[in-house]
Amino acid sequence: QVQLVQSGSELKKPGASVKVSCKASGYIFTNYAMHWVRQAPGQGLEWMGWINTNTGSPTYAQGFTGRSVFSLDTSVSTAYLQISSLKADDTAVYYCARDRAILTFAFDSWGQGTQVSVSS
Amino acid sequence: QSALTQPASVSGSPGQSITISCTGTRSDVGSYNLVSWYQQHPGKAPKLMIYEGFKRPSGVSNRFSGSKSGNTASLTISGLQSEDEGDYYCCSYAGTSTLVFGRGTKLTVL
Repeated sequence: QVQLVQSGSELKKPGASVKVSCKASGYIFTNYAMHWVRQAPGQGLEWMGWINTNTGSPTYAQGFTGRSVFSLDTSVSTAYLQISSLKADDTAVYYCARDRAILTFAFDSWGQGTQVSVSS
Repeated sequence: QSALTQPASVSGSPGQSITISCTGTRSDVGSYNLVSWYQQHPGKAPKLMIYEGFKRPSGVSNRFSGSKSGNTASLTISGLQSEDEGDYYCCSYAGTSTLVFGRGTKLTVL
């Protein structure tokens, strides 16, 4: 069955970087785009962008350009989210989510979420 | 893009029907049939309930239905059950390979 397993919780200091992984299984990784979604404490879902797993081309939402980088290692069916120059308001749960088909922009499978906490 | 507008909360009794609205603009909801809806229970990852405006993924109850009129999409849940309680989010394609979520609606089953 389709499964997305994310890396564990992270506690970082302001100014540091974090890299979250999302390992896919149960399907052909390069056939489905991968999206990233942020959820700050007590807040709603916020779309960060997506990466074409076939070409590696990323698209970032407004507000997530510059410090966020999406990448892939297709040899291990894994997508990555790296955030640099962390700030306190980057504290959130970060989800990876699979696009259910080409150009539907609907997420049929989600990772369990990775808590990133930024505190001095 | 600005977040889509959803009511902060809705409630209903078991067996009743409720509708959650999701209002966008001509640049997102009004221009594309690519609205999806997600259910989220506390501490859990969201779950896809509706995609492409009205289509249900396999395994989702037919008590959930989606529709759209103009710049507003809607999710209707009929025959409310206690397990339907949670947060619901709409999401729309907004052009140039970008998406926007709604702010979320908390559904309480009385």
